Amino acid sequence: DAKTTQPNSMESNEEEPVHLPCNHSTISGTDYIHWYRQLPSQGPEYVIHGLTSNVNNRMASLAIAEDRKSSTLILHRATLRDAAVYYCIPSSGSARQLTFGSGTQLTVLP
Amino acid sequence: NAGVTQTPKFQVLKTGQSMTLQCAQDMNHEYMSWYRQDPGMGLRLIHYSVGAGITDQGEVPNGYNVSRSTTEDFPLRLLSAAPSQTSVYFCASSYAQPGWVSEAFFGQGTRLTVV
Repeated sequence: DAKTTQPNSMESNEEEPVHLPCNHSTISGTDYIHWYRQLPSQGPEYVIHGLTSNVNNRMASLAIAEDRKSSTLILHRATLRDAAVYYCIPSSGSARQLTFGSGTQLTVLP
Repeated sequence: NAGVTQTPKFQVLKTGQSMTLQCAQDMNHEYMSWYRQDPGMGLRLIHYSVGAGITDQGEVPNGYNVSRSTTEDFPLRLLSAAPSQTSVYFCASSYAQPGWVSEAFFGQGTRLTVV
């Protein structure tokens, strides 16, 4: 699996956009980029995934660099409920598991 | 739609005891897996199953057994509990291997303490 680098922690103000970066410079051409988040005392929750082009869903947007060595998860208006650990997970189609690193702890300030 | 249900939510075991952590999903998913999460760390795969009757080992399988007799259920058995197995255990399911395009659904976790 590709190695990932994410900030240990980030802060955001409520109702402002948040950009969570992830570097995955060793990603292979066929790896998908998944993002999951884990709220306190809960199991991980799927956020979004993509391969090459930018993706949007009701929770977030995923911007993937043209060389695919980095990606950014965008929360358009952070709420207190978005406070969680966010995991960036490059993964191939043959992978048996999702490989979770240490992620980014997002704190949302009221 | 219940999703992935894990029982119990909390458990305290004495060293050497055995127990079974239950996991059930109602989404007709073929792929199910068990992870453990130690404090401040990411999740690590214990065992997984790609369908009824088919299981395989993950990254940290020692001390755990699994079986998959139905699509819905994937229990995890601790054979002889050790303090090193104190952790939070998560069960997950997806319609295909989660490294592909499939969204994985996780249970709420079982917090296990071995004393």
